Parts: sequence; C-alpha cells; structure tokens
Amino acid sequence: AQKITQTQPGMFVQEKEAVTLDCTYDTSDQSYGLFWYKQPSSGEMIFLIYQGSYDEQNATEGRYSLNFQKARKSANLVISASQLGDSAMYFCAMRGGSRGGDTGRRALTFGSGTRLQVQP
Amino acid sequence: NAGVMQNPRHLVRRRGQEARLRCSPMKGHSHVYWYRQLPEEGLKFMVYLQKENIIDESGMPKERFSAEFPKEGPSILRIQQVVRGDSAAYFCASSQPGTGGDSPLHFGNGTRLTVT
Repeated sequence: AQKITQTQPGMFVQEKEAVTLDCTYDTSDQSYGLFWYKQPSSGEMIFLIYQGSYDEQNATEGRYSLNFQKARKSANLVISASQLGDSAMYFCAMRGGSRGGDTGRRALTFGSGTRLQVQP
Repeated sequence: NAGVMQNPRHLVRRRGQEARLRCSPMKGHSHVYWYRQLPEEGLKFMVYLQKENIIDESGMPKERFSAEFPKEGPSILRIQQVVRGDSAAYFCASSQPGTGGDSPLHFGNGTRLTVT
C-alpha cells in the first residue's frame, strides 16, 4: 500500500519569496515516482514536476524544484520567487514502479493537499 | 492537440436518478483513470481502464458505480440511483501506453456532480 502525507493544510507566502510545501510518503515498492500537481480555483489539475526514486539529482522545472530525501521518504516542493498566480491547492502524488513495465501505468495515490496563498 | 475532454462540466441530478460522466482521453492515450474529489480533499482513485478492459477497480464502490472504456468512443463512469453523498468532482486522467512510471497523468477539467 502507498500513502502520501501533506501536513500543511494551508500556507501563506509573500510575493517574490520562496516557499516549501512538505510531502512525505510511505511505500513498500523498491522503485517509484513522485509527482506534484497544482489545482487553481478553476479546478483543473496541472502537472508540475516529477522525481524518480532512482534519480540522483533533484528535479527542477523553472521555478519549481523538488527536494528529494529518500532516506527520510520526503519529496518537498520548493517554489522560488512566488507569484500571485501561484495561489492554489498543491497535491503530492506517487506511483509505484518507475522503471517501466506494467507498474508504470498504475494509478497515482494523492495526498490531501496544501492550500498556498501568495500575498502581495 | 486536445487535452483530456470531460463532459458535462456540471451535472445536477435528483436522488435516485442516474449520472453518466464522459471522458475522451488525449490523442494517442489508451489508459484512462477516474478519480473522485470531495470538497477540500485530495483525489481518491476509483478505477483504471484500458480499451475494453478494467485493469484496477479497487477504488470503486461495490454498488451503483460502474465504468467502461469501449473500443470506440469515450470512457463512461456511470452512477446509478445517486445519493447526496455522491456529490463531488469527478476527474478523468489519461496516459500513454507502454510508458514507464515517470509519465504523468493528464487530467481533464472534471465533472462537478450535484445531487439534490
């Protein structure tokens, strides 16, 4: 079984500052993938960033980076230079099996989310 | 390059009626996933389908809920005899066949079901 825990129901950050959204996970899979999604108030789910359990370097995508600490089973999302448009719900998710095969198509397991509000 | 298309965007049903939610995956995607989201909560997995096959339905309620993904046409999530507790946002996602675990799911905009 897989479990994702996001312990911050809500976060505030000043515009242009960096913010870290926490995510811890639990899995018995030897290989897995970790994902972050953004859900603005309009409701759509937007894929942000991916980290594979075997990746040695932390993933980065523009202003998003993933602070992956495998021993601690944490995959925190860091947003640099926050913008007002970053205000949204953020979900951490995982899937077992990051090395292809049938497990590569398993469904994602989501955390409960963190609501980020960027203040001017 | 159209994304995942879900319709309707909003659906209102009275208790006891049937709800049909439709999902057309992204072009080239043959794997479809349905999720349910209650207000202020995360997405809960319901079912994973390929064309004409249910791969994993471990998240589907045993009664009143069914899903299909026919050879032709969209995937359908069907809820019979809806109750107020079925009110939620239902999201469909798709992914490519034969890819590894690093392929993200691409989500539609969801169907907001309200049961009155």
